[in-house]
Amino acid sequence: AQRVTQPEKLLSVFKGAPVELKCNYSYSGSPELFWYVQYSRQRLQLLLRHISRESIKGFTADLNKGETSFHLKKPFAQEEDSAMYYCALSPEGGSYIPTFGRGTSLIVHP
Amino acid sequence: DAMVIQNPRYQVTQFGKPVTLSCSQTLNHNVMYWYQQKSSQAPKLLFHYYDKDFNNEADTPDNFQSRRPNTSFCFLDIRSPGLGDAAMYLCATSRVGSAGGSHNEQFFGPGTRLTVL
Repeated sequence: AQRVTQPEKLLSVFKGAPVELKCNYSYSGSPELFWYVQYSRQRLQLLLRHISRESIKGFTADLNKGETSFHLKKPFAQEEDSAMYYCALSPEGGSYIPTFGRGTSLIVHP
Repeated sequence: DAMVIQNPRYQVTQFGKPVTLSCSQTLNHNVMYWYQQKSSQAPKLLFHYYDKDFNNEADTPDNFQSRRPNTSFCFLDIRSPGLGDAAMYLCATSRVGSAGGSHNEQFFGPGTRLTVL
């Protein structure tokens, strides 16, 4: 069975500092990985997905199959990045049932 | 804007009193999901519909039921809410099976926060 681990429950940084939210997974095949974000009083929404290989709001994430990781990074954090971040995995073969990590709360201080 | 709507946003019920939460979508997605999310925990999938096919997670209590009368609407029925059922309930949708587009991406509603007195 697949599993997603986000080791940090809370990550606190100052504005302008680099930020890395960790995500590790266990899955024997080739997964599809996502990062979802939930800003205060807003709905959960997709931030980025590994197959797109794009940068959204300055965030990037690279799938490292050797380390089974999909860490989310941003070189310079902004206050508006404060939110709850969830890493999610969908198995290969087009399965539509994702597994979510428990989430990391990012707080960016001014 | 196409979206996922949940009503009500806040629901208070009494211990043992049945309650129904509703979800509607204008995205014309074929899959709809219900999640339960408790404080500081990941969303926990309760069940989902692939078109009209209902799929229950193995550990979803019998107390939880769902209905999907048409593509746009999906309901979560809690027959006899207990104190442990107090949580945020999230509805989500996705389009599965189409070429390109947002395959596997889920679109979430704002959630309904259930309080059990």
